[in-house]
Amino acid sequence: DVKVTQSSRYLVKRTGEKVFLECVQDMDHENMFWYRQDPGLGLRLIYFSYDVKMKEKGDIPEGYSVSREKKERFSLILESASTNQTSMYLCASSRADRGTHQPQHFGDGTRLSIL
Amino acid sequence: QKEVEQNSGPLSVPEGAIASLNCTYSDRGSQSFFWYRQYSGKSPELIMSIYSNGDKEDGRFTAQLNKASQYVSLLIRDSQPSDSATYLCAVLFMDSSYKLIFGSGTRLLVRP
Repeated sequence: DVKVTQSSRYLVKRTGEKVFLECVQDMDHENMFWYRQDPGLGLRLIYFSYDVKMKEKGDIPEGYSVSREKKERFSLILESASTNQTSMYLCASSRADRGTHQPQHFGDGTRLSIL
Repeated sequence: QKEVEQNSGPLSVPEGAIASLNCTYSDRGSQSFFWYRQYSGKSPELIMSIYSNGDKEDGRFTAQLNKASQYVSLLIRDSQPSDSATYLCAVLFMDSSYKLIFGSGTRLLVRP
């Protein structure tokens, strides 16, 4: 079974802090993704990565950055946390198999509150 | 604009009935379609994938795909209260590489 592990289930931080959310997958997947999910807005893609040290902006990258130094780990960074970044953050990974378009598998999520 | 549309619900069905969840998408060239189940406060869990026109069955779940109509559906037979969740439709658009576009989800409520 695919295992995607997010470092924290719940996190509370203060406005202006730099926040790190960590994600690790154990299936040697090439692709990794960060989403946020808010009521009424659905899943929105923040950043994704096709390979180590590669990253691409998703639909809502403002206020975020990412790091992928190792294949199994994809970190999301909130440079200066703001209250509008309070949300559920979801990490996902998938194999890079264009022939069969492999699905994404999600971690348990991190519920982040910015006070 | 790539779009995936779902009725937000809630769709309420009695226990034992068939629940039918529907999804339409905007890109005629899309090739890969997925259904995820998400319980309240939890992360999405993959339950079905479908790539070809027609039906694909897995236990009580059947996914149906009609590319000409740009329509994909999920049928849940013998619905159980434990099926109560939000069901997300996700589509891999042709020009989006590995990115999935998710619908906003349909909330299903199975009444005992």
